[in-house]
Amino acid sequence: NAGVTQTPKFRVLKTGQSMTLLCAQDMNHEYMYWYRQDPGMGLRLIHYSVGEGTTAKGEVPDGYNVSRLKKQNFLLGLESAAPSQTSVYFCASSLRDRAEKLFFGSGTQLSVL
Amino acid sequence: GQNIDQPTEMTATEGAIVQINCTYQTSGFNGLFWYQQHAGEAPTFLSYNVLDGLEEKGRFSSFLSRSKGYSYLLLKELQMKDSASYLCAVRDQKGFQKLVFGTGTRLLVSP
Repeated sequence: NAGVTQTPKFRVLKTGQSMTLLCAQDMNHEYMYWYRQDPGMGLRLIHYSVGEGTTAKGEVPDGYNVSRLKKQNFLLGLESAAPSQTSVYFCASSLRDRAEKLFFGSGTQLSVL
Repeated sequence: GQNIDQPTEMTATEGAIVQINCTYQTSGFNGLFWYQQHAGEAPTFLSYNVLDGLEEKGRFSSFLSRSKGYSYLLLKELQMKDSASYLCAVRDQKGFQKLVFGTGTRLLVSP
């Protein structure tokens, strides 16, 4: 009964380094999302996917890339990290219906020095 | 554009009732959600409104007026564990129905 699992939980990067955040869900959800949460800004959508093999840009996509090779996994990549990408990142998933709620992972605290 | 407004912080006493307001201006509307987020944790779903009126779920109720672009979350019989941030989110109608989140209201419940 894992739901949405994110790894890692914490990470510190130096400017210019790259990393990948992993998200896995075991609820057979079609839709998956990556959000970032910053103080005073609320949750902002980075990228999302409406199914295996598909991705689309959200509100703040610059500096990030994503892939959804398998239905249950959604990866978020930072190719060259910048201090402005210091944030808490949340993965989420939902069923296809418009009324469906989001299920969130526990979050990744990322600091870029 | 899209704009969602919530008070930044509220305080209340254990056992009391508190109302958290949310006003929104979005290009379309296809439902409003409330999420609860304890410090350092993930948001969890509380309620969903798409039609005008009140939805009650135990100690929590949520109200929607689409004509006024207004919603509120009502918490009754407050408990210490209700200390958390409450996020208002609106689903718009343009293309894929993305959720737009407000900045959240931090509620502190004191004894």
